[in-house]
Amino acid sequence: DAKTTQPNSMESNEEEPVHLPCNHSTISGTDYIHWYRQLPSQGPEYVIHGLTSNVNNRMASLAIAEDRKSSTLILHRATLRDAAVYYCILRYPVGGSQGNLIFGKGTKLSVKP
Amino acid sequence: KAGVTQTPRYLIKTRGQQVTLSCSPISGHRSVSWYQQTPGQGLQFLFEYFSETQRNKGNFPGRFSGRQFSNSRSEMNVSTLELGDSALYLCASSALGQGNEQYFGPGTRLTVT
Repeated sequence: DAKTTQPNSMESNEEEPVHLPCNHSTISGTDYIHWYRQLPSQGPEYVIHGLTSNVNNRMASLAIAEDRKSSTLILHRATLRDAAVYYCILRYPVGGSQGNLIFGKGTKLSVKP
Repeated sequence: KAGVTQTPRYLIKTRGQQVTLSCSPISGHRSVSWYQQTPGQGLQFLFEYFSETQRNKGNFPGRFSGRQFSNSRSEMNVSTLELGDSALYLCASSALGQGNEQYFGPGTRLTVT
């Protein structure tokens, strides 16, 4: 799996947008970009994923650079509950296999009231 | 739908003993993966099972093993426990055709003394 680079930590104010960056300069054409987050004392939680186009769901938006060497997870209005470690992961879809997730260190997001 | 459940939630064992952890995936999910999380190494992939067959394996010693039953429930076993095996063990399930997102359980906290 290709590697990703994320900042160790970020801070945000409650109810403001948050942009979490991820660099993946060695991404291959078939790698999907996945984001997971882990709240304190919980297992990781799927957030969003995409391949080339920007994606939106009820939790967040994923903006993917045109060259796919970087992406940004956007939380439109941060809440205290969004304080977590966010992981950006590249995944190669091996047929129907879910394969495995290679977690890096992630970005620890703190949200201030 | 009920989420991924793991039992037990907490476990204390002594060096040299063995332990079995259990995971029940989301109903209809056929793939189950196991991960180990420690403060030093972060989240690391152990193995993945699909239709009772191990499909992927991480870089862990043979003391770590697993299996999956016909109802997709999975167990992992660690024999001859070492102090370094103290960790949070997470199970994740996935359904094919859903973008391969994984749904994690709350984990089993294993302490080896």
